Amino acid sequence: NAGVTQTPKFRILKIGQSMTLQCTQDMNHNYMYWYRQDPGMGLKLIYYSVGAGITDKGEVPNGYNVSRSTTEDFPLRLELAAPSQTSVYFCASRVGQGGNQPQHFGDGTRLSIL
Amino acid sequence: TQLLEQSPQFLSIQEGENLTVYCNSSSVFSSLQWYRQEPGEGPVLLVTVVTGGEVKKLKRLTFQFGDARKDSSLHITAAQPGDTGLYLCAGVHPSGTYKYIFGTGTRLKVLA
Repeated sequence: NAGVTQTPKFRILKIGQSMTLQCTQDMNHNYMYWYRQDPGMGLKLIYYSVGAGITDKGEVPNGYNVSRSTTEDFPLRLELAAPSQTSVYFCASRVGQGGNQPQHFGDGTRLSIL
Repeated sequence: TQLLEQSPQFLSIQEGENLTVYCNSSSVFSSLQWYRQEPGEGPVLLVTVVTGGEVKKLKRLTFQFGDARKDSSLHITAAQPGDTGLYLCAGVHPSGTYKYIFGTGTRLKVLA
């Protein structure tokens, strides 16, 4: 009963480095999301996907890229890490269309850029 | 600009007190959801309100959706330390896409 799994849980990067945050879900959900949460704040949508092969930008996509080659996986790529990208990143999934469907979240990846 | 504004931003109360958290927007939402997030974890859904004027109760928590579907409130009766956490409202973007947007959050601390 894994749900949404994010790896790694913690990471420290140097400015200019790149990395991929992994997200996988085992609920066969079509919709997947990436959010960032700055300290004490709400969540801001980075990218989302409504199915394999389909992705779209959210509120704060600059500096990030995503891909969705399978239903299960939705990795988030940081190409040139900047201090402004220090945040907690959450991946979420939901079963389908309609605002009534709950989002299921992973436990987050805490990323520091130094 | 934030489409969903929550107030208050922070709230520290004594066990047994009542409180209300507000989620306001200038846009109409087809539905709104409330989540609670505890430290080190992702948000967990508490409730979804769909119909204007709807009231839903979850034990000591009462959720209301405004008649015009532009705002919602969460009322907690006789707060307990276990209610401590970050409360977030969320909804599908009014533009009609599949994007979700979250409110600014209310951080609640209930002191024993």
